[in-house]
Amino acid sequence: SQTIHQWPATLVQPVGSPLSLECTVEGTSNPNLYWYRQAAGRGLQLLFYSVGIGQISSEVPQNLSASRPQDRQFILSSKKLLLSDSGFYLCAWSGAQETQYFGPGTRLLVL
Amino acid sequence: AQSVSQHNHHVILSEAASLELGCNYSYGGTVNLFWYVQYPGQHLQLLLKYFSGDPLVKGIKGFEAEFIKSKFSFNLRKPSVQWSDTAEYFCAVSPDSNYQLIWGAGTKLIIKP
Repeated sequence: SQTIHQWPATLVQPVGSPLSLECTVEGTSNPNLYWYRQAAGRGLQLLFYSVGIGQISSEVPQNLSASRPQDRQFILSSKKLLLSDSGFYLCAWSGAQETQYFGPGTRLLVL
Repeated sequence: AQSVSQHNHHVILSEAASLELGCNYSYGGTVNLFWYVQYPGQHLQLLLKYFSGDPLVKGIKGFEAEFIKSKFSFNLRKPSVQWSDTAEYFCAVSPDSNYQLIWGAGTKLIIKP
């Protein structure tokens, strides 16, 4: 069966520091991959999605970037974090059937 | 712009009460529809989905949802809720079979024992 991992689970970073959140999927090949930010009372905001290695689509101009160096690895990065980057970040994958399956999330606090 | 509206941000019910959570979307074409649930401290997980066929869809844990195309709605229902249904519920829509989901803001459901 397929599983999706995210780490770290929680991260506290100072303003201006870099960020790297990792997401990996097991048990499937060539998944579509997604990064979301979940804000209380506002649902999920799609940040990036990828349909293949090296193919990244950005949905919202951000202080963030994404990369997909391997088929089942999706990385969310920032060169310099802002206070407004604090939030809960979710990675998801989907196959041909469009149903998305979510990881446990990373709670990021920027101080 | 395409959007998904969940009418209630917070719902509080007693055990055994009936539940209906509203979801409306704005898109005139073919859509796939989803309800996801996030229990406290757990992953966001799929509750049920509609792609085609019978507009009344049954999901896990006794939940069902009805797709009414003329009303652009996909309301979630459960005849008798339990304390363990306390969670946040999200409606999502995928227009025209593209890969993206458009999400509602979520409804926090609290069931009083």
